Amino acid sequence: SSELTQDPAVSVALGQTVRITCQGDSLRSYYASWYQQKPGQAPVLVIYGKNNRPSGIPDRFSGSSSGNTASLTITGAQAEDEADYYCNSRDSSGNLPVFGGGTKLTVL
Amino acid sequence: QVQLQESGPGLVKPSQTLSLTCTVSGGSISSGSYYWSWIRQPAGKGLEWIGRIYTSGSTNYNPSLKSRVTISVDTSKNQFSLKLSSVTAADTAVYYCARASELGMDDYFDYWGQGTLVTVSS
Repeated sequence: SSELTQDPAVSVALGQTVRITCQGDSLRSYYASWYQQKPGQAPVLVIYGKNNRPSGIPDRFSGSSSGNTASLTITGAQAEDEADYYCNSRDSSGNLPVFGGGTKLTVL
Repeated sequence: QVQLQESGPGLVKPSQTLSLTCTVSGGSISSGSYYWSWIRQPAGKGLEWIGRIYTSGSTNYNPSLKSRVTISVDTSKNQFSLKLSSVTAADTAVYYCARASELGMDDYFDYWGQGTLVTVSS
């Protein structure tokens, strides 16, 4: 099992707000980065650091952190946001990268 | 714009060594505060970090794979490579190469290759 825990599946109605969470002890010390992956495609970075979006990522994507939980929030979810989302941070030693198990987002 | 491209055999026999190369274009593999990683994903499953190399040659590996993994870099060719020995069917996956950037104490994978499917089968 991963050192970062994500809910396997989440759903959201079109246009509504959804929060995808990632839990792990290392998140008390390190920020998570978040990746969107659509079927048959490579993951794409959507959030990194405290709350930074790479160029080209819509501002409906935002990140936050509290205690041992990091969150990715999509405000006004669109049909094209339906994808798998993975968090990434450090392992419990704080030395090596580790991914969460992923959350499948369904937009209804 | 940095681009990464994986290459290597798509079929490997059990007990043999899987070898992949990642070619980096659009920037020098030696410049900047980056490291270079391999990440894999079995069909229908999540992402697994395999290991990384800094352009100094320093490496770190996933403890679960450490005994079988070697990552190397060839700065003259702007490439880095993965070798995974004694493969079994459990090593069948899409293998990605990726660049990681460092931001303070954190890092993140900002550029990824398209991925290459490696099947372990006789």
